[in-house]
Amino acid sequence: QKEVEQDPGPLSVPEGAIVSLNCTYSNSAFQYFMWYRQYSRKGPELLMYTYSSGNKEDGRFTAQVDKSSKYISLFIRDSQPSDSATYLCAMTRTGGFKTIFGAGTRLFVKA
Amino acid sequence: GAGVSQSPSNKVTEKGKDVELRCDPISGHTALYWYRQRLGQGLEFLIYFQGNSAPDKSGLPSDRFSAERTGESVSTLTIQRTQQEDSAVYLCASSLEGTRKETQYFGPGTRLLVL
Repeated sequence: QKEVEQDPGPLSVPEGAIVSLNCTYSNSAFQYFMWYRQYSRKGPELLMYTYSSGNKEDGRFTAQVDKSSKYISLFIRDSQPSDSATYLCAMTRTGGFKTIFGAGTRLFVKA
Repeated sequence: GAGVSQSPSNKVTEKGKDVELRCDPISGHTALYWYRQRLGQGLEFLIYFQGNSAPDKSGLPSDRFSAERTGESVSTLTIQRTQQEDSAVYLCASSLEGTRKETQYFGPGTRLLVL
């Protein structure tokens, strides 16, 4: 079993839709949770960062962490064609420097 | 300012040859990371440098893989006797101090194809 599971998609939505992206994980030692966005042929860029459980909002993006269920989510409101990319969840253990990434979900937002 | 740069951007090599991949981190960043991304998969951690020491080499997949870093600047990832399974995008990232709370800034990657 992988430490981090993420549905690779692809996920296709119309412009303006609310998008929900999710990851599950197995190791309760993970405390730091991140979402990266990766455009084709580019390196990933950090979108959201949260520590432990709770919600964090930044513009059209909301990250949620539910440690009791070992489940994290990224919501994108009013999705735009420019949001079309691969979204990778990532997490780090307390006391460690190794970041574990999910496989990434490919998102297509159609105009 | 300049971001993380990597060279070459693409590399095609024959099975059994050695390859060297280069990463130039953001100036002043003490932490440097190497990852491998196979087609359709997430990032696989390879190695982490703090300055020129590597406290975590646990991700290197075999003894054919090695990496070094000169001071707090350029790093090279060397793959000896390449195999077709080594074909992937190799990504480098850097951060200011290497703490868990920091953003890692990624380069565009080197696309390696082993024929």
